[in-house]
This record gives sequence, structure tokens and C-alpha cells, in this order.
Amino acid sequence: AQSVTQPDIHITVSEGASLELRCNYSYGATPYLFWYVQSPGQGLQLLLKYFSGDTLVQGIKGFEAEFKRSQSSFNLRKPSVHWSDAAEYFCAGNFGNEKLTFGTGTRLTIIP
Amino acid sequence: DAGITQSPRHKVTETGTPVTLRCHQTENHRYMYWYRQDPGHGLRLIHYSYGVKDTDKGEVSDGYSVSRSKTEDFLLTLESATSSQTSVYFCATGTSGSSVADTQYFGPGTRLTVL
Repeated sequence: AQSVTQPDIHITVSEGASLELRCNYSYGATPYLFWYVQSPGQGLQLLLKYFSGDTLVQGIKGFEAEFKRSQSSFNLRKPSVHWSDAAEYFCAGNFGNEKLTFGTGTRLTIIP
Repeated sequence: DAGITQSPRHKVTETGTPVTLRCHQTENHRYMYWYRQDPGHGLRLIHYSYGVKDTDKGEVSDGYSVSRSKTEDFLLTLESATSSQTSVYFCATGTSGSSVADTQYFGPGTRLTVL
């Protein structure tokens, strides 16, 4: 069955440090992949998406993600986090239909 | 961002009562979705619509029904609310293009508490 897995429930990083959030998928082909961010009490905002082509995609707020077919991964990165990046991050995949399958999310805490 | 509103934003109700949540969009997007968000589960799809009067079930559709009589409105109804339906409900819309992989845009959410 198709699925999206975010192995880390909670990550804590210091402000200014680099960040990598992991996302893995299970699918027989290449899915379309998305990263969303949810600030407390808010809806989800799209950070970036991968459909095809260049495997390194740039998004908003200084985020980027790299698609690695060999590892079935689509990890989100940021070189230097800011306190405002504290939020919950969701990876999602489209496996060839109208629907998105979401991971369970990773909560990011930033230490001053 | 797409203009998506949800009403009400917060609701407290009692077990056994009917509840209707409304999603309204101003973007003329073809697809509309209802999700619920629960700790440890991420977002799970309840129902979705691919056009006026065209709807289909998601992975957690039991106890829920939907209707879409206009492009801009998508209603989610809990016929007889149960405590297990206490959750945060999100509406989303999706553009229709040549690919089914269109981006989904999310509303602000409705927090529903069933006592």
C-alpha cells in the first residue's frame, strides 16, 4: 500500500543551526511529493513540491528538499533555522489520483 | 493563497446531535476535501468532491456525509456526533489542470468538541 512516513515525531534544534526533516514513501513509481508547514492554531501552508525534473527543489521561507529515488526519500532542509520556524511539518504524497496521503508530522522546537 | 473559509471555527456539541461544518472557497477550484487532524495520525481524508454533486469517500468516512450543491461550498455533516469525532477539521481545495497532482490549499480549520 502507498504510504508516507515521517520517522521523527519531535525534533529540537538551536536557533541558527541547520535542520533536516526526514520523509520516506512507499510506492511502486515516483509519487508527487509535498511539504506543508502548520503553525500553532493555523491551517497548512505549502512549503514546496516535487513533480519531476530537478531533484533539488526550492521552497518558501528558505527551505529546500531533495528527492532521492534510491532511498525513497524527500527530506526537507534549511541551513539556518529561525525561531519563527517552530511549527509542525507534514510531508505528503500523491500516488496517481486526486488524493494526498500525509505523514504523521514532525514537531519542530527551536531553542534560543 | 486560495480564499478558503470555514465555519464555524469552534464548536462544542453533545453526543447524538447533528453537526454541519461549512467550507467556502472563492477560487473556483474543482476539487474540495475534508480532513480530520488528530495527534499521532496527521491528516486523514474523510470525503472529497471532484465537482458539483460528485463526491467520494476517503479513508475515515464512517459517520460522516458530505454535499456539494455549488462549486464554492462543501458541507460536512456528522449525522449523530460521537466523542470519537472530537477533532480539528480542515477543508482543502485543489486546482484542476492536466495533472491530478495539483496542489491542495487549506482552510484555517474548525475545532469540534463532542461532549
